[in-house]
Amino acid sequence: DAKTTQPTSMDCAEGRAANLPCNHSTISGNEYVYWYRQIHSQGPQYIIHGLKNNETNEMASLIITEDRKSSTLILPHATLRDTAVYYCIVSPLSNDYKLSFGAGTTVTVRA
Amino acid sequence: ETGVTQSPTHLIKTRGQQVTLRCSSQSGHNTVSWYQQALGQGPQFIFQYYREEENGRGNFPPRFSGLQFPNYSSELNVNALELDDSALYLCASSYWGETDTQYFGPGTRLTVL
Repeated sequence: DAKTTQPTSMDCAEGRAANLPCNHSTISGNEYVYWYRQIHSQGPQYIIHGLKNNETNEMASLIITEDRKSSTLILPHATLRDTAVYYCIVSPLSNDYKLSFGAGTTVTVRA
Repeated sequence: ETGVTQSPTHLIKTRGQQVTLRCSSQSGHNTVSWYQQALGQGPQFIFQYYREEENGRGNFPPRFSGLQFPNYSSELNVNALELDDSALYLCASSYWGETDTQYFGPGTRLTVL
């Protein structure tokens, strides 16, 4: 019962910024936007999460629209190692939250 | 800081058998969640354990069960294996008490023949 919509796939040139969109038009006021990625056959890796303000860490930036109905994950300088499936997930940040994964976006970084 | 570890890495079983998968939480974490990921799909939530009790369950039958131990490590048990149980099984740990991000282990690849 994923509540997000992401493009199935996208390509990105190495060294360029990768902008990954996500629509979550039914997001509730207490739900956060999470991003994880999964490199082939490995466990999902946490990237970043946010509520309504833009967030940045050492891996990426998260831009959330003012109405919170969509967001964009930005990988500032994509490398070949960023090739992965990227999942956008909305979930309340409560003690017993579960992550509802959709199909994600397959990002391929090309040299 | 020790990350989430899982064992074994790979496992092959036959239909009808039982299997036990193990997970050690990241240090400082007291909550464990298990997910099943079929080939080509996103992970699906199985259940979560906190204080050695099940705390939330996804749409999985009772033959999927678990345990959490006092040291916060966990086991996932699956009885009467079916071919469709073939998947990557993922364990994620987090800290209950302060809302915290779930961190995943590398997974156990189960093949049922």
